[in-house]
Formats: sequence, structure tokens, C-alpha cells
Amino acid sequence: NAGVMQNPRHLVRRRGQEARLRCSPVKGHSHVYWYRQLPEEGLKFMVYLQKENIIDESGMPKERFSAEFPKEGPSILRIQQVVRGDSAAYFCASSRQGDQPQHFGDGTRLSIL
Amino acid sequence: AQTVTQSQPEMSVQEAETVTLSCTYDTSENNYYLFWYKQPPSRQMILVIRQEAYKQQNATENRFSVNFQKAAKSFSLKISDSQLGDTAMYFCAFMTSPTGTYKYIFGTGTRLKVLA
Repeated sequence: NAGVMQNPRHLVRRRGQEARLRCSPVKGHSHVYWYRQLPEEGLKFMVYLQKENIIDESGMPKERFSAEFPKEGPSILRIQQVVRGDSAAYFCASSRQGDQPQHFGDGTRLSIL
Repeated sequence: AQTVTQSQPEMSVQEAETVTLSCTYDTSENNYYLFWYKQPPSRQMILVIRQEAYKQQNATENRFSVNFQKAAKSFSLKISDSQLGDTAMYFCAFMTSPTGTYKYIFGTGTRLKVLA
């Protein structure tokens, strides 16, 4: 079975552009989580989604960031008008049930020029 | 607020020896889960071991075991017979769900180097 698939692995954007990060969860998993990891730091929770619903977005900046998990297709983390401080690794994780271990993707490394 | 503290930024161990990584956490919840994840240089996040707070028995997975002390809010990871492939960042994580959300709270990590 395929694990969590994230693409792209690396994404380079200029300041002011938009970044779209995609995450396909493990087949059969309906819970998706996004985390951000700054260099030399641990992962920080951003948002938790179930199909078509945002359950908890308490870790996501109110402006410029949005996330969705549509009925069909991958989950998308969207960052508008990127700034240098958005440079980080963004990890997606999924689980079958909320209290099951989360399986992580390999992350997307976002670099802002 | 829940917090997770890993007080050892870096550690090293000789191949084949045993090393223990420390983790403490703070919570007022009674039911929760604790995890250790490994992040090698490839930067994947790999689940090493999981502990449910309601279980008194310490979890083990092959060479990896934990010392879970609920009263002290301590969750250390012991790696026996260390191998070069164990070189990685190790993150302790906490998860509870008082309001229906299952987010992980991670510590800042311990960088482990296994020396040949």
C-alpha cells in the first residue's frame, strides 16, 4: 500500500507568489494533518481536516494560509503572497481514525527567493 | 497548555552500546498517547514506538523500548545495541483529544549520532 504522498518534494517561489502543496493520504485514511518544520526545530501543528471539513485550524496563520480536503482528490495547503519566513518543510500526515498513529509523508521543502 | 520538552539537543553513542533519550511533558489530561518519531537525514518521519497512557506496561519494539512514568510525566526512549542506521533526529510527541482534535505536539528533538 502506498504511504502518504506529498508533492512536490521541493518548491521554489519568489516573494509574492502563491504556493500549493498537495497531499494524498494513505488509502482508507480520512484524517489529514499539516505540520510545519522550521530549520533545526520540531514540527508544529497547523491544521487538521477530515473529508470536506476543517476540524482544527488553530495552528495556521489567519492570513495568506488556507487548507482543504475535498471529497475527491488530495488535500491542498495553499499559501498566498509568500514571504521569506514561509520557507520551511511542510509535512502532511494521515490516520484512519483520530486516535491512531499518524503516518507522515516525506514533506515538501518550500524555499522563498 | 500541553508542552513537550526534550532537554538533550545532541547525544552520541558508540555502535552496539545503549543510549537513553529523555522526554518530559506537561498535561492535565488523563488519557493521551505518546510517540517517538525518528527523522533521518532524508527527513522522513518514521514512527519508532507508541505508548497509551492508560497502559502501565512499557512499550517495546525490537531494540527500542520506553520508560513511561505517568506520575512524573516522563517518557524516555532506550535504544539497545545501537546501529549506524539509528543516526537521526528523534522527536517525542504527545497527543490527546479533549475537544475532538488529534494534533501532535512535538518536542524540539534530540540529534543522535551513532559512532563506529
